[in-house]
Amino acid sequence: AQSVTQPDIHITVSEGASLELRCNYSYGATPYLFWYVQSPGQGLQLLLKYFSGDTLVQGIKGFEAEFKRSQSSFNLRKPSVHWSDAAEYFCAVGGNNNDMRFGAGTRLTVKP
Amino acid sequence: DVKVTQSSRYLVKRTGEKVFLECVQDMDHENMFWYRQDPGLGLRLIYFSYDVKMKEKGDIPEGYSVSREKKERFSLILESASTNQTSMYLCASRQDRGRFNQPQHFGDGTRLSIL
Repeated sequence: AQSVTQPDIHITVSEGASLELRCNYSYGATPYLFWYVQSPGQGLQLLLKYFSGDTLVQGIKGFEAEFKRSQSSFNLRKPSVHWSDAAEYFCAVGGNNNDMRFGAGTRLTVKP
Repeated sequence: DVKVTQSSRYLVKRTGEKVFLECVQDMDHENMFWYRQDPGLGLRLIYFSYDVKMKEKGDIPEGYSVSREKKERFSLILESASTNQTSMYLCASRQDRGRFNQPQHFGDGTRLSIL
């Protein structure tokens, strides 16, 4: 079965600074990878997904993620963070089954 | 756009009550899911359904049951609510059984408090 680890529970960045959120997965075959964002009191919104092809994936709200098979990683990046990006971010991994595993989440705080 | 609607945003119930959480999706998705979200634990799958009247246990099914009588509706039932079931509950749906690379689409969640 697949699993995913988000090593950072909480990250604080200044507005305008770059952001990288880490995600490491475990799965024996090619995984399906997703990043979701959750604003306070809301459900999860899909930012981007990877399942094949170009390993650099563009998403909504200016986010991108890079799939690195050798490192079993799928880190989320944004070149310049806005105050409205403050939220919780979840990485998820799926495989050739109905099972999708979510990380514990990384809470992002944006300083003015 | 996919719309997943959970019937209540906030719910307060008493210990021992039977609690129903309702979820409806409008995109004719085969798969539907119920998760529980707790701080530091991420999302944990309670049950999922891949078709009408079909269900599969997830990681934490104890104390819960589900019902899927119609394709668009997936209900989570707490048979006898306990305080340790106080949590945020999230419903999700996904297109097409077998197309595992499709993302799940989430409702806004129900924050359930058991007193």
